[in-house]
Order: sequence, then structure tokens, then C-alpha cells
Amino acid sequence: DTAVSQTPKYLVTQMGNDKSIKCEQNLGHDTMYWYKQDSKKFLKIMFSYNNKELIINETVPNRFSPKSPDKAHLNLHINSLELGDSAVYFCASSRRPGTNEQFFGPGTRLTVL
Amino acid sequence: GENVEQHPSTLSVQEGDSAVIKCTYSDSASNYFPWYKQELGKRPQLIIDIRSNVGEKKDQRIAVTLNKTAKHFSLHITETQPEDSAVYFCAAQDGNTPLVFGKGTRLSVIA
Repeated sequence: DTAVSQTPKYLVTQMGNDKSIKCEQNLGHDTMYWYKQDSKKFLKIMFSYNNKELIINETVPNRFSPKSPDKAHLNLHINSLELGDSAVYFCASSRRPGTNEQFFGPGTRLTVL
Repeated sequence: GENVEQHPSTLSVQEGDSAVIKCTYSDSASNYFPWYKQELGKRPQLIIDIRSNVGEKKDQRIAVTLNKTAKHFSLHITETQPEDSAVYFCAAQDGNTPLVFGKGTRLSVIA
């Protein structure tokens, strides 16, 4: 009965590779997010989708491309991985955009070698 | 855009004592202020939130206060327990704009 799930939990890869992280929520929420948490624990929003439509796109390199096939899924594809991409990536969802509780997934720890 | 400052970055208290974490925000239009707790290796989870039409909110040992004039809000944890040890994040948001987090406070409760 996991509310927000992500796969994989750990991802270790070489520089220059392309990788994807998947996220699914079974809460019936309309809005989903991707956050990046760096080594200093700073949490920063990357993207937000509402009903499969992109509504927030922060200053993120265009090597990062989110895709939402339906409102229960938001995947993150990263091209040409760089050392600085190493971080924990959290997916989250909320009932709707705006001032609502966000439910986070367990995180994906990405390590680029 | 919104900027959220959080202090202190680390806090150690004896079990049973109180802990206070303070945040300031820059955008006077912000109207939603949640607090998230992140235990080691786990996901952030909402512990309490407050909206701009309220000055204080309490839930058992946790309380949050908001001063809109001064643009600051605080988290108060009373009778701290070892399981309160975690990183705590404040955040601020205005409507549909992104939630902006503070840099976190690592709270250690010493038994």
C-alpha cells in the first residue's frame, strides 16, 4: 500500500551514460514533483506536473527531461550524466498544485563515477 | 523569488528539553508554511503546517508560530525524545509557486 514509490532505490553509473528514474503514486493526486537533494541535504524543486502537464520547470539543465504518461506516473530521464548529478532524487505528489501537503517517495540515490 | 533562511543548522538538546528552530522568508505573498522531518536515510514527511491566517498551531509536543509582519516562523518541540532526532526543514509557498525549503536543521536529542 505504498503511497509514492520510486525505482530504482540506488543507481550507480559512469559519466556520460543515460539513466531513468521512475515514480508512481497511488493516492489519486493530480500533481507530482521531482526534487534534488544534494550532499548538504538542500532540497530543491526541479519540476512539477499537474494532470500530465508541466507547470513548474526550475533552472535545470536540459539533460534532465521529465515525462508524465498519466497523472499517477512521473519519470525522470537524465542524459549524459555528470559527476555533479550525484544526489538523492525525490519524487513527491500532492492533491493539487499550491499549498498542500506533499507526500515524498523513498528517494533514489544516484552516484555518478 | 522566495528565499527561506533557517537557523540553527545544527542543534543538540538533552532529552526532555525543548528545541526551537527559526525560519525567515522574503516574499510577503507567501501564505503556506510547512515543516518537514527527515530521519536518516528516509524521506521527508510533513509534521505540521500553518497558513497565513493563523498565528499559532499546536499538535501534541509540536507547535509552530508565525509572525507575518516580521516574516518569520518557528518550530517548537517540547519534551524532546531520542526519536525526535532528525533533520527538520521549514518551507514557504505562495499559491502555485514552488515550495521553497530552508537548508535544514540537524536536531540531535541526547539521552
